[in-house]
Amino acid sequence: GQQVMQIPQYQHVQEGEDFTTYCNSSTTLSNIQWYKQRPGGHPVFLIQLVKSGEVKKQKRLTFQFGEAKKNSSLHITATQTTDVGTYFCAVRNYGQNFVFGPGTRLSVLP
Amino acid sequence: DTAVSQTPKYLVTQMGNDKSIKCEQNLGHDTMYWYKQDSKKFLKIMFSYNNKELIINETVPNRFSPKSPDKAHLNLHINSLELGDSAVYFCASSQNRGRGGTGELFFGEGSRLTVL
Repeated sequence: GQQVMQIPQYQHVQEGEDFTTYCNSSTTLSNIQWYKQRPGGHPVFLIQLVKSGEVKKQKRLTFQFGEAKKNSSLHITATQTTDVGTYFCAVRNYGQNFVFGPGTRLSVLP
Repeated sequence: DTAVSQTPKYLVTQMGNDKSIKCEQNLGHDTMYWYKQDSKKFLKIMFSYNNKELIINETVPNRFSPKSPDKAHLNLHINSLELGDSAVYFCASSQNRGRGGTGELFFGEGSRLTVL
């Protein structure tokens, strides 16, 4: 079945530092989505990547889809305390349903 | 207006009881889901309904029974509750990309179930 890994599991950063989380799949993906879940909240959609090698930016967030469409990364520049939460990738291989990764929990120290 | 709303938000009950969680979406989406999030934050899909028809039924005990009276509603009924059922249950909806949507999932705020 679909195997999705995310690393790291946890990340503690000082405010202003950069942060990156990686999502790796055992199979080629049709697309990948990223979600953010604040503590006590619900997952909120951030972005969807479809094309091989695609790079998308949202303010301080940069999302990348690997050339082989088996991995993706989310990079946050100059973290702020509002970035705290768990970041999930959700992957789909062709025709299947989305499977969520285990998430990376980010804490930002002021 | 809440796009995806679930009730109740909190549910505390004894083992062996039966309980229901209701979900409604006002986004006009054609697909609705139930996800379970355990204490380690793993998000696992339980059911997926498309236009009131069951599409996905992951390896979920048959004590869990979803019911979709119409496209906008997907309820979850749980019989004979067990300790391991304690979790946060999220309802979500989406509109498939092939049908004019983006495929992104819109989640409800979650229903935290505690079984004592």
